Amino acid sequence: NAGVMQNPRHLVRRRGQEARLRCSPVKGHSHVYWYRQLPEEGLKFMVYLQKENIIDESGMPKERFSAEFPKEGPSILRIQQVVRGDSAAYFCASSQQTGSSYNEQFFGPGTRLTVL
Amino acid sequence: DAKTTQPNSMESNEEEPVHLPCNHSTISGTDYIHWYRQLPSQGPEYVIHGLTSNVNNRMASLAIAEDRKSSTLILHRATLRDAAVYYCILSQAAGNKLTFGGGTRVLVKP
Repeated sequence: NAGVMQNPRHLVRRRGQEARLRCSPVKGHSHVYWYRQLPEEGLKFMVYLQKENIIDESGMPKERFSAEFPKEGPSILRIQQVVRGDSAAYFCASSQQTGSSYNEQFFGPGTRLTVL
Repeated sequence: DAKTTQPNSMESNEEEPVHLPCNHSTISGTDYIHWYRQLPSQGPEYVIHGLTSNVNNRMASLAIAEDRKSSTLILHRATLRDAAVYYCILSQAAGNKLTFGGGTRVLVKP
């Protein structure tokens, strides 16, 4: 079974360009989370989505960042007009919602964004 | 989310047990204790979780204090592949974000 897939694994953008990061959750998982890890720092939660809905975006920067998880296809994290401070590793995680009370999160390998 | 406190780093010899402490004195009654680890250049990986009772799985054991204000992750026989940053996290069970702290960097010496 395939785990969480993220692409691209490495992305280089110049300041002012747009970055699109894609995440395909584990098959059957309907919950997706995005986290960001700045160099030499811990992971920070950004956004939590279910199919077609944003559940919690408390960690998303107010401007330039958006996320979606459409009914069909991968989840997309979009960063407009990137700046050098956006350089980081972006991790996606997924979980399933079942009748049980606990659902672990499965993480992808991350997309490493470098802004020149 | 309630805060956790972990040592910055620990060293262990290969094939020896590793005990990783975590303090969470402000834990609420419905908080689960989760442990994830992050190997170099990889995404985090679930290790174990518990609520009140001690737990064992193929990767590790989790010992939870009776008052739940602290817990210990136990790696029974450390291997070089266990070198990683280990995160102790509290959150509600399902559908919730994980709040990562600094974690404990584990170094395993051959």
